[in-house]
Amino acid sequence: KQEVTQIPAALSVPEGENLVLNCSFTDSAIYNLQWFRQDPGKGLTSLLLIQSSQREQTSGRLNASLDKSSGRSTLYIAASQPGDSATYLCAVLGEAAGNKLTFGGGTRVLVKP
Amino acid sequence: GAGVSQSPSNKVTEKGKDVELRCDPISGHTALYWYRQSLGQGLEFLIYFQGNSAPDKSGLPSDRFSAERTGGSVSTLTIQRTQQEDSAVYLCASSSMWETQYFGPGTRLLVL
Repeated sequence: KQEVTQIPAALSVPEGENLVLNCSFTDSAIYNLQWFRQDPGKGLTSLLLIQSSQREQTSGRLNASLDKSSGRSTLYIAASQPGDSATYLCAVLGEAAGNKLTFGGGTRVLVKP
Repeated sequence: GAGVSQSPSNKVTEKGKDVELRCDPISGHTALYWYRQSLGQGLEFLIYFQGNSAPDKSGLPSDRFSAERTGGSVSTLTIQRTQQEDSAVYLCASSSMWETQYFGPGTRLLVL
């Protein structure tokens, strides 16, 4: 059974500092990995999707890497801003899981002005 | 076009009552998913539709939960005889197969 873990559970940084969020998964047989952002009381916003054949994806200040063999992904957010404060979730689409995502517990980020 | 929409946005009900939650996916998306987000439990998969059929119902927590999808579009999640442990945010997502899943804003259910 696929298990997804995100460490740390919470992170607080001063504005301008780079953010590094970690995600690990136990079964490397995945189709893709997706990073989401969730604001309090809101739904999920997709940030980046990395296919299993890719090593990284970039969008603006966001960069996500994927090491499928070791079961790890890292989301980097450069030059953090207070508006980046949110919970960040990673999810994997496993080959054995049909078409459903398995989510990590999330990392709650606070960027202090 | 519009994103995934869900209704109602909030629902308060009494224990034992039935509730219906609705999801309107992005037009053209063949796949539709229901997830539940409970306090302290994280996000868990409930059911997945491909077209109108549900190849994977493995996440439904009990036989009080059912879902249907009609016309390859709108889906309804029904919870019968609600219990307090059903209180959660119910999220719907849609996608083209194997592609990015786009989530709706969720329905916040509170069972008193």
